[in-house]
Amino acid sequence: DQQVKQNSPSLSVQEGRISILNCDYTNSMFDYFLWYKKYPAEGPTFLISISSIKDKNEDGRFTVFLNKSAKHLSLHIVPSQPGDSAVYFCAATFSGTYKYIFGTGTRLKVLA
Amino acid sequence: KAGVTQTPRYLIKTRGQQVTLSCSPISGHRSVSWYQQTPGQGLQFLFEYFSETQRNKGNFPGRFSGRQFSNSRSEMNVSTLELGDSALYLCASSLDRTNTEAFFGQGTRLTVV
Repeated sequence: DQQVKQNSPSLSVQEGRISILNCDYTNSMFDYFLWYKKYPAEGPTFLISISSIKDKNEDGRFTVFLNKSAKHLSLHIVPSQPGDSAVYFCAATFSGTYKYIFGTGTRLKVLA
Repeated sequence: KAGVTQTPRYLIKTRGQQVTLSCSPISGHRSVSWYQQTPGQGLQFLFEYFSETQRNKGNFPGRFSGRQFSNSRSEMNVSTLELGDSALYLCASSLDRTNTEAFFGQGTRLTVV
């Protein structure tokens, strides 16, 4: 039972344009969500997070949006850069625990 | 500040053997979690330790076990290895405050032949 889903295995975007990565979850009890970026042969690197009490969190070029009623979150990268090419994982958890439930990842390719 | 350190980086074992992986968390971090990454299943939670106690456990068989030492370093053990255990094993450490992120190591690539 996949509680966190990333339905797009891959995404290609032109440099300078917006990248939008999507994530859906099924457990309404999740109250903390995170996005990680992963390059091959490296561990995931934290990007940005959002608590369920918010609907938006911004950090530089990265913005995460949370729609609790739809159980959906998205990561916007603006503007996209070639160095952003990586696999992006969303994760959901409950506050006070580090048991992250990860999606299966979306491979982003930013074309120069 | 040193990051999360995992050793060894690569390991090849034979079916039926056992293996121990090590993780040194970021200094001051007391929570350590372990994940298995495979191409088909993505990142799957194995277990989490805090102050030498297992706080959470994922849906893995009893062949997978772990422990945490008083200095927060953690080890993960897999006994009676199977071909399907071939994966990237990732360790993450965290400060253990509400709504803080976990920091991952580079992982140990285990290949079972």
